[in-house]
Amino acid sequence: EVQLVESGGGLVQPGGSLRLSCAASGFTFSDHYMDWVRQAPGKGLEWVGRTRNKANSYTTEYAASVKGRFTISRDDSKNSLYLQMNSLKTEDTAVYYCARGYSGYDSPPPLDYWGQGTLVTVSS
Amino acid sequence: QSVLTQPPSVSGAPGQRVTISCTGSSSNIGAGYDVHWYQQLPGTAPKLLIYGNSNRPSGVPDRFSGSKSGTSASLAITGLQAEDEADYYCQSYDSSLSGSGVFGTGTKVTVL
Repeated sequence: EVQLVESGGGLVQPGGSLRLSCAASGFTFSDHYMDWVRQAPGKGLEWVGRTRNKANSYTTEYAASVKGRFTISRDDSKNSLYLQMNSLKTEDTAVYYCARGYSGYDSPPPLDYWGQGTLVTVSS
Repeated sequence: QSVLTQPPSVSGAPGQRVTISCTGSSSNIGAGYDVHWYQQLPGTAPKLLIYGNSNRPSGVPDRFSGSKSGTSASLAITGLQAEDEADYYCQSYDSSLSGSGVFGTGTKVTVL
C-alpha cells in the first residue's frame, strides 16, 4: 500500500525557517517525481514545487511565490522527500502536502497519491 | 489568482449531470498541455480523479469524465450522488510561469 506521511510542521515566526519531511513507503520511491502542494486555510490548492527522479537528474522546479526561499530535496536511500523553507512569510501559512507523480508523465505529472498534510503556521 | 479559472460553485440534484469548466489560455491548455482533475472531500487530502484530460485512475467511477477543447477543459459528473459533494480542482502546465504545476481556482459542488 502506497503511503506518504508528512512531518515537521508547526508554528514559526516570520523570517524563520522550517524543514518538512515526507516519508514514503509501498512503492519504488526512486522511480517517481515528487511534488509539494500547499493549501492556505479556506483557500484553494497551490503548487509549490517538484523534484524529478534520478533518471531525470533530480531536477527541481518551484512556483514563483517560493523560488529562492524554498528548497526541495530527496534521499532515495531513505525513501524521503524534504522541503526546506527559509525566510518564511505570513502568507506561507498553509497545510503542506507531499504527493507522488504518476510515472510516465511530465508537464505536469498527475499526482496519484497524497499525504495527509502538515500544517505550517507563520505568525509572531 | 490562478491562470486556470473555474466557476466558484455548481450545484445539482441527486441523479443530475453537472459540469465544471476550467478555462485557460494559449500558454497552458491551449498549448496542448494535459489537464488533470482532483476531488477534495471536506477535511481530506485531494484525490486524483482524471488524468491526461480524460483518463480515470483505477477505482474512480465512470460517472466522472473529462474532456478538453481549445483553451478549456471540462469535468462532468453524471448521476450526481451525495458523496460527490466536494471541491474540485483542475491542473495543467503553463509555459509562461515559473514552474509547471498550476492548479485551477477550484469549484465547490453542492448536491441539493
